[in-house]
Formats: sequence, structure tokens, C-alpha cells
Amino acid sequence: QKEVEQDPGPLSVPEGAIVSLNCTYSNSAFQYFMWYRQYSRKGPELLMYTYSSGNKEDGRFTAQVDKSSKYISLFIRDSQPSDSATYLCAMSAYGNKLVFGAGTILRVKS
Amino acid sequence: DGGITQSPKYLFRKEGQNVTLSCEQNLNHDAMYWYRQDPGQGLRLIYYSQIVNDFQKGDIAEGYSVSREKKESFPLTVTSAQKNPTAFYLCASRGLAGEDTQYFGPGTRLTVL
Repeated sequence: QKEVEQDPGPLSVPEGAIVSLNCTYSNSAFQYFMWYRQYSRKGPELLMYTYSSGNKEDGRFTAQVDKSSKYISLFIRDSQPSDSATYLCAMSAYGNKLVFGAGTILRVKS
Repeated sequence: DGGITQSPKYLFRKEGQNVTLSCEQNLNHDAMYWYRQDPGQGLRLIYYSQIVNDFQKGDIAEGYSVSREKKESFPLTVTSAQKNPTAFYLCASRGLAGEDTQYFGPGTRLTVL
């Protein structure tokens, strides 16, 4: 079993939809949680960073962490075609290596 | 502008050749990382360095080597011992103390001919 599980998709939604992307993990020591967006043939770009449990909002993006369930989510409101990309979750216990999910491919259709 | 640069963007290697991928950062970050990305497998850690003149093997170090002679630079050599080197290679550096965020370069696509 992988330490971090992420559905690879692809997830296809119409423009304007609310998108929910999720990861589950098994290591209870993880405290730092990140979401990266990666366009084709580009390096990953940090979208959201959360420490421990709770919610964090930045514009159309909301990150949620539920440590009791070992489950993290990224919500995208009013999705746009420019949001079409691969979304990677990543997490770590402080000072240790980042562990990445395999990535979810998102396609937003206009 | 602060950031991480990788060169070249595309690299072609013949069987039996060693090639070196460049990674430079001007973010004043201490820690730097090399990852390999293959379709459907996410990012796998090759090597990392937390400080100049020191580096550690990651999960898939066999067939690779690195050096860290300067804070700004962390080159990766893909040797002929790496059996399946065709992949997308990403360099990253770690953010501020107290955070575990990593910031990535644009990547190098290596293809073995």
C-alpha cells in the first residue's frame, strides 16, 4: 500500500463547476500538506500549503485537512479551462522528505 | 527575479553516455532536491542535499550522482548505469525554515536514443 493515495482521473467537468480533488494517507506523523498544480511539460507550482488540520482559502481554491480521517481535499470553485492540469498532493512530517501522490488529471471543458 | 532554473529543457543521450543536468537557484535556500517523474508514478526522490558539501540518497539513487559545491548549484549526472533514464527530471529547493514547502524548476526532459 502506498503512503499517499490519489485517484489519477482524468476528472472531466464543465466550466463553472466546483471541483473536488482528494488524497488519503496512512502516516499519522504527517503535519504539512501541500497541493501543487502542474501543466503539461512544466514544473509543479505550489498552490496551497496547510499545517495540521483545518481549512485554508485562497481565491477560488480551498484546502481542507482532516487528520482524524487521514484525508485531504482541494476544492476549486467556478472552474475555468485554464485550471486544466495535473494536481499533485504532497505531505511530510517536519524535516522529512515530501511524499507525493501520483497526481489527478483535471480537464475543464468550455 | 528569484527562482530555480534548469538546463537544458530537452536532452538526448545515446546508450552508454553520461549526461549532466543543471540546476541553479537564487532563493538562498539551503536544501535542494532531484526528482524523477514518470507517467502515472508521481515524483520519486533521487538525491537531496541539506547543506553545501553534503548530500543523501533518495529512494531511487542507483545510476545517478550529484555534487553540491555551491549553495546555488546542485547538478545531477545520469550515468550509463541507469538502465531506464528516459524521464522528466525536476529540481526543487526547500522554502523557509519552519515550512516544508518545496519550489520546483521547469524540468528537463531526458530521452535515450
